[in-house]
Amino acid sequence: DIQMTQSPSSLSASVGDRVTITCRASQTIGSFLNWYQQKPGKAPKVLIYAASSLQSGVPSRFSGSGSGTDFTLTISSLHPEDFGTYYCQQSYSIPRYTFGQGTKLDIK
Amino acid sequence: EVQLLESGGGLVQPGGSLRLSCAASGFTFGSYAMSWVRQAPGRGLEWISSFSESGSITYYADSVKGRFTISRDVSKNTLFLQMNSLRADDTALYYCAKEGDMYTNYVRYWYFDLWGRGTLVTVSS
Repeated sequence: DIQMTQSPSSLSASVGDRVTITCRASQTIGSFLNWYQQKPGKAPKVLIYAASSLQSGVPSRFSGSGSGTDFTLTISSLHPEDFGTYYCQQSYSIPRYTFGQGTKLDIK
Repeated sequence: EVQLLESGGGLVQPGGSLRLSCAASGFTFGSYAMSWVRQAPGRGLEWISSFSESGSITYYADSVKGRFTISRDVSKNTLFLQMNSLRADDTALYYCAKEGDMYTNYVRYWYFDLWGRGTLVTVSS
């Protein structure tokens, strides 16, 4: 199975900060990488698919980049409502999707 | 309204069985691949099973293979997960998710574009 490793596991940032979360795949996955946001008590919500494509309705301050094994999710200017846990997911070996372990983002 | 609604969770003893349901509405249920994803308390997301878009193939994670069975009833727009031989480490919130897809540069990309709220399964004596 393809393993996904995120870093950091947690971070705290201030409103207006630029935030970057990274995700590394154990083997090359092209651009088959998705990012989700999960808020406490809620289901995950897709933000980015195909490594860099913004899902409809997601604010443009979210962006994704990368290909192969290394990927990045960037929030250009942190808003208070962006707290939560972020997960990367590979869709290269579907349907055996695998997720990263998550990055918990707190707002200072 | 486009939504998924899970039910059937509860408290069950180790070795017991449970059947989860996921009622779909607002889209053509039989035209999409569907999955079950679980989240143990305080832990991350784990894909456990999928039912193919064609409706003819099922897939399982190694952690549940041989114990869980995914199925669907298109006439009732419902996805099921039959869980047998339950263990303490099966304790989790179980989500059903719809697999959506988009083409980018002529390549088809898959992701979960719709999730239910989840149903909690607790395996304990």
